[in-house]
Amino acid sequence: AQKITQTQPGMFVQEKEAVTLDCTYDTSDQSYGLFWYKQPSSGEMIFLIYQGSYDEQNATEGRYSLNFQKARKSANLVISASQLGDSAMYFCAMREGHIAGGTSYGKLTFGQGTILTVHP
Amino acid sequence: GAGVSQTPSNKVTEKGKYVELRCDPISGHTALYWYRQSLGQGPEFLIYFQGTGAADDSGLPNDRFFAVRPEGSVSTLKIQRTERGDSAVYLCASSLTVAVQETQYFGPGTRLLVL
Repeated sequence: AQKITQTQPGMFVQEKEAVTLDCTYDTSDQSYGLFWYKQPSSGEMIFLIYQGSYDEQNATEGRYSLNFQKARKSANLVISASQLGDSAMYFCAMREGHIAGGTSYGKLTFGQGTILTVHP
Repeated sequence: GAGVSQTPSNKVTEKGKYVELRCDPISGHTALYWYRQSLGQGPEFLIYFQGTGAADDSGLPNDRFFAVRPEGSVSTLKIQRTERGDSAVYLCASSLTVAVQETQYFGPGTRLLVL
């Protein structure tokens, strides 16, 4: 089963408008973290925002905010006031914090990504 | 400060050859990760190190893939008898610790092409 699902292969938004990129996840762990990364055409992965499973408030970082709905297991990224430079691939990722034998799981599991195109 | 660096940035090799990909993490980061990203896909986990030891190598596809981090800093991913299916971008990341909330910072990747 997919641990991270991003159902929107591509999204289009007008410059200065807001856009929501969807992400749902699947885990049985109580402790986990959700991350969003941006990957421009140049290829580097740029960290945007983090939400912990125990965080009661939605994370915000500048124009980025995370709409975290724990019961629905969704962690949607909201980008406000879109800019042309926001055009890129966006990945949602999860890190599970299950403690097994004293070792935390360190890896990130990524979704398939959403290509965002911002129109002038 | 300096971010994660990876060398080479591009590598073209022939099927059956051996390749080494190098990753230099952010100074002071104890955890180092290798991922592989195929075209149009999200990165897939290969292996991660905590210090010098491989804490989880469950993502290595087969025994042709091996990685080391002998001094707890620089890591090398080694691929023997390369196959065309190994062509991908190999990404390295590092984080201060392996705690759930720790951000992984990625390098620019090595684009491997096996002819």
